[in-house]
Amino acid sequence: EDKVVQSPLSLVVHEGDTVTLNCSYEVTNFRSLLWYKQEKKAPTFLFMLTSSGIEKKSGRLSSILDKKELFSILNITATQTGDSAIYLCAVGNNNAGNMLTFGGGTRLMVKP
Amino acid sequence: DAEITQSPRHKITETGRQVTLACHQTWNHNNMFWYRQDLGHGLRLIHYSYGVQDTNKGEVSDGYSVSRSNTEDLPLTLESAASSQTSVYFCASSEAGTKNEQYFGPGTRLTVT
Repeated sequence: EDKVVQSPLSLVVHEGDTVTLNCSYEVTNFRSLLWYKQEKKAPTFLFMLTSSGIEKKSGRLSSILDKKELFSILNITATQTGDSAIYLCAVGNNNAGNMLTFGGGTRLMVKP
Repeated sequence: DAEITQSPRHKITETGRQVTLACHQTWNHNNMFWYRQDLGHGLRLIHYSYGVQDTNKGEVSDGYSVSRSNTEDLPLTLESAASSQTSVYFCASSEAGTKNEQYFGPGTRLTVT
């Protein structure tokens, strides 16, 4: 059974801080790892990673995958109050079609 | 613009009643998914479909059913609602093939009293 564990469970920072969110996984036949941001509504897609060592970047957010150590990190620099959300990590398995297995999420609160 | 919608957005029902939650997508995606989200459990897969007339059970399918009669819709039915099914329900869709990105609807908050 595939497994995704995210840490920390929750995090409180102040505006301007840099944060690192962690996602470790166990999957029988890795296809991809995805990051989502969930505010008070539906999860919205951030990144999909398939190859080790290649950083994906979008503004102040970036993510990288390590397929040897089975983890990914999501970095947010110069945090803003609008970054407050739950961040979800999910993995896809080549043996499981297009299904994703989600982790429990990291709740980030950015204080002014 | 393509989108995925869910209705109702909020629903209160009584134990034992049958409830159907609607999901409609205009992405023309073959794949559709239903999840529930509860505190401490993240998103858990209930049922999914890879095309018309195709339905499959997910991790937490007991007490739920789906049907896929066209590409756009995947309604989720709770046959006899139980208090344990109080949750937020999300529908999602994705393209067929190796792209995994799923696009989520706005969610339905269901309360079973």
